[in-house]
Amino acid sequence: EVQLVQSGAEAKKPGESLTISCNSSGHSFKSNWIAWVRQTPGKGLEWMGMIFPDDSDTRYSPSFQGQVTISADMSINTAYLQWSSLKASDTAMYFCARLIGSSGWFDYWGQGTLVTVSS
Amino acid sequence: QSMLTQPPSASGTPGQSVTLSCSGGTSNIGSNSVSWFQQVPGTAPKLLIYRNNQRPSGVPDRFSGSKSGTSASLAISGLQSEDEADYHCAAWDGSLSGPVFGGGTKLTVL
Repeated sequence: EVQLVQSGAEAKKPGESLTISCNSSGHSFKSNWIAWVRQTPGKGLEWMGMIFPDDSDTRYSPSFQGQVTISADMSINTAYLQWSSLKASDTAMYFCARLIGSSGWFDYWGQGTLVTVSS
Repeated sequence: QSMLTQPPSASGTPGQSVTLSCSGGTSNIGSNSVSWFQQVPGTAPKLLIYRNNQRPSGVPDRFSGSKSGTSASLAISGLQSEDEADYHCAAWDGSLSGPVFGGGTKLTVL
């Protein structure tokens, strides 16, 4: 059974750094695109970017390019989403999801990681 | 911001049929397939429909999808109380080189 298990909720202050994770099991981690999706009450679901772990090919939405870094560690089947300097506007729920093909659909999702940024 | 347009809310009574709409453009729905997700508040989205009208294993056949031009629809027949959730559409966008989502429709079962 394919499972994506994300790290727990985080409460941070503006300016702090943060890395959240998404551990995969039940499938070939290196051969599937793993994407990150942000959900906020006002803007719904937004694709942030994705990574193909086998060759670390990484693609970002223009809205998130330069704002976050996506990476993966094939040795532990885990993808990461990283911020170097959080803003209050980064407060949201973040999901990882497996993408079928390079332009297909998301078939499995992580349970979500709530990130709260507040002074 | 969402690049696909969905009505914010819809409702129906148990046993009824409802149809949820999703409107896009030529760079997304017009040239790529549509998927639909069900999301109960506080949980992750769950894939309901892919490739416009295909159901993953385990999704009841009460759920069906269709696409025409730059619009898509999700039909739910025999509405049940557990169908109360948010429904999101998505499609690959060639201009973005990534997926775009609708803003979601909150379905209430009265």
